[in-house]
Amino acid sequence: AQSVTQLDSHVSVSEGTPVLLRCNYSSSYSPSLFWYVQHPNKGLQLLLKYTSAATLVKGINGFEAEFKKSETSFHLTKPSAHMSDAAEYFCVVSEESGGGADGLTFGKGTHLIIQP
Amino acid sequence: DGGITQSPKYLFRKEGQNVTLSCEQNLNHDAMYWYRQDPGQGLRLIYYSQIVNDFQKGDIAEGYSVSREKKESFPLTVTSAQKNPTAFYLCASKVRGAYEQYFGPGTRLTVT
Repeated sequence: AQSVTQLDSHVSVSEGTPVLLRCNYSSSYSPSLFWYVQHPNKGLQLLLKYTSAATLVKGINGFEAEFKKSETSFHLTKPSAHMSDAAEYFCVVSEESGGGADGLTFGKGTHLIIQP
Repeated sequence: DGGITQSPKYLFRKEGQNVTLSCEQNLNHDAMYWYRQDPGQGLRLIYYSQIVNDFQKGDIAEGYSVSREKKESFPLTVTSAQKNPTAFYLCASKVRGAYEQYFGPGTRLTVT
């Protein structure tokens, strides 16, 4: 069975400083991994995805994540935080193929706070 | 303008009433999903459908029902049997063969 652990429920950084949101996963097979962002009372937007190609994945809005199989990690980073980055971030794993059954497994989320 | 729409954005109901949440997509996606979101719990899968006229229960299907009569529509009914229906409900869809899902804006249901 697959699972996802987001190591921090809240992260607070100052505007202009780096962002690090940590995610560890457990999977029996080669997983696909995603990061989604959710602004208050909105749906989820796909930030980036890893599907067994390059281990360093670049996403939208300057975010990137690195897949490290030996550490079973998929941490999300951004060099310089912007006020508009304040949101909830979800790390997500899928063991299934694209035609698979029960969708994605979500972490519990990390609330990113940006201090002015 | 392609995407997934959910209506209404906010919904209020009295306890004991059934309520139906709408989800429509014009992305020509094959699979559609319903999730429930509660504070601090991430998203939990309620039902999913991979093709028209077929759907499967997710992790928390009790007290919910769905239909998939058209490819672009996947309505969710929250029945009076659902013990804690107040939550934020998200609909998603994906292309067959793809990994990632795309989400609608959500419906916040409050039952009193």
